[in-house]
Amino acid sequence: DGGITQSPKYLFRKEGQNVTLSCEQNLNHDAMYWYRQDPGQGLRLIYYSQIVNDFQKGDIAEGYSVSREKKESFPLTVTSAQKNPTAFYLCASSPTAWGAEAFFGQGTRLTVV
Amino acid sequence: QQPVQSPQAVILREGEDAVINCSSSKALYSVHWYRQKHGEAPVFLMILLKGGEQKGHEKISASFNEKKQQSSLYLTASQLSYSGTYFCGTETGANNLFFGTGTRLTVIP
Repeated sequence: DGGITQSPKYLFRKEGQNVTLSCEQNLNHDAMYWYRQDPGQGLRLIYYSQIVNDFQKGDIAEGYSVSREKKESFPLTVTSAQKNPTAFYLCASSPTAWGAEAFFGQGTRLTVV
Repeated sequence: QQPVQSPQAVILREGEDAVINCSSSKALYSVHWYRQKHGEAPVFLMILLKGGEQKGHEKISASFNEKKQQSSLYLTASQLSYSGTYFCGTETGANNLFFGTGTRLTVIP
């Protein structure tokens, strides 16, 4: 079955450590996105990528980094520079053409202690 | 670039109607609507492309006014299963999907 997979579902890290969240899709989509969601809040765009080896900053990119070495994979690293990293992180993908449905992964809940 | 949604929250009794609005300060290529249940991923409802079309599926429909850069989601005869947070997503160019802050809808018996 085609879909988008995020792992792990829950992640705990100590303050000051970098952590990488995985996002893999087998839908052959060109575009991939990372969103952050805080309790009772909307989805805020962190980074997006339209094609392999290229990505753009969203509204809240500070303290995060990404890579897009393969079409299927778009990992997000939460660095120690991110002031308040505890949140629910959602990855999504969509075909290149505009106006196409975005498919979401099940999310990773990151807790930094 | 984030679109603005209103209202932030609404409580309905079963059978009542609701309208959720979404507006952008930029010209839009399309508007997406999603519903998210607590702790789950957002689920796609519909996409509206520029051209002022209206779409619907059973008791949930939406309109898109390209000139005003606004979209509205209409929920009629609400059911308990409609409860959740509704997000509009807007495209101002290819592959740059931005979501609003969401509208929390609660349907009570």
